[in-house]
Amino acid sequence: KQEVTQIPAALSVPEGENLVLNCSFTDSAIYNLQWFRQDPGKGLTSLLLIQSSQREQTSGRLNASLDKSSGRSTLYIAASQPGDSATYLCAVIRDYKLSFGAGTTVTVRA
Amino acid sequence: DAGITQSPRHKVTETGTPVTLRCHQTENHRYMYWYRQDPGHGLRLIHYSYGVKDTDKGEVSDGYSVSRSKTEDFLLTLESATSSQTSVYFCAISGTGLETQYFGPGTRLLVL
Repeated sequence: KQEVTQIPAALSVPEGENLVLNCSFTDSAIYNLQWFRQDPGKGLTSLLLIQSSQREQTSGRLNASLDKSSGRSTLYIAASQPGDSATYLCAVIRDYKLSFGAGTTVTVRA
Repeated sequence: DAGITQSPRHKVTETGTPVTLRCHQTENHRYMYWYRQDPGHGLRLIHYSYGVKDTDKGEVSDGYSVSRSKTEDFLLTLESATSSQTSVYFCAISGTGLETQYFGPGTRLLVL
């Protein structure tokens, strides 16, 4: 059974600091990995998807890396802003199904 | 935003009553999913569909059934609701099942 772990569970940083969010998974036979953002009481918004053959994916201030062999992915958010405050979830796809981590809740202090 | 709607958005029901949640998409995606989200457990897959009338179980399927008679609609039924099924339910869609999954706004269900 695929286990997905996100550490830390919560993170508080001052505005402008770079954010580093970690995701690890136990079974490296994944097809791809997806990062999501969830605001309180809302649904999930897809941020980035990394194919298993890729090493990283970038979108604006967001960069996600993937190391399948070690079962790790990292989401970097540059120059954080208060609007980045949310819960960030990673999920791995295998056999057409997603397995989610519990998320990292980020607070960016103004 | 992907065209996904869920209905109802909020529901309060009593133990033992049947409940049906609806997910509707306008993207013509083949794959549709039902998840539940609970504190301490994160998001867990209940059932998914890979085509009209084609469904399969997920991680927490006991007590739930699904149906998909049209590409655009995926129904989740709780045959006899229990308090342990109080949760937030999310529907998601994907084109091939291996691409980005897009999520609906969620349904908050309270079983008294």
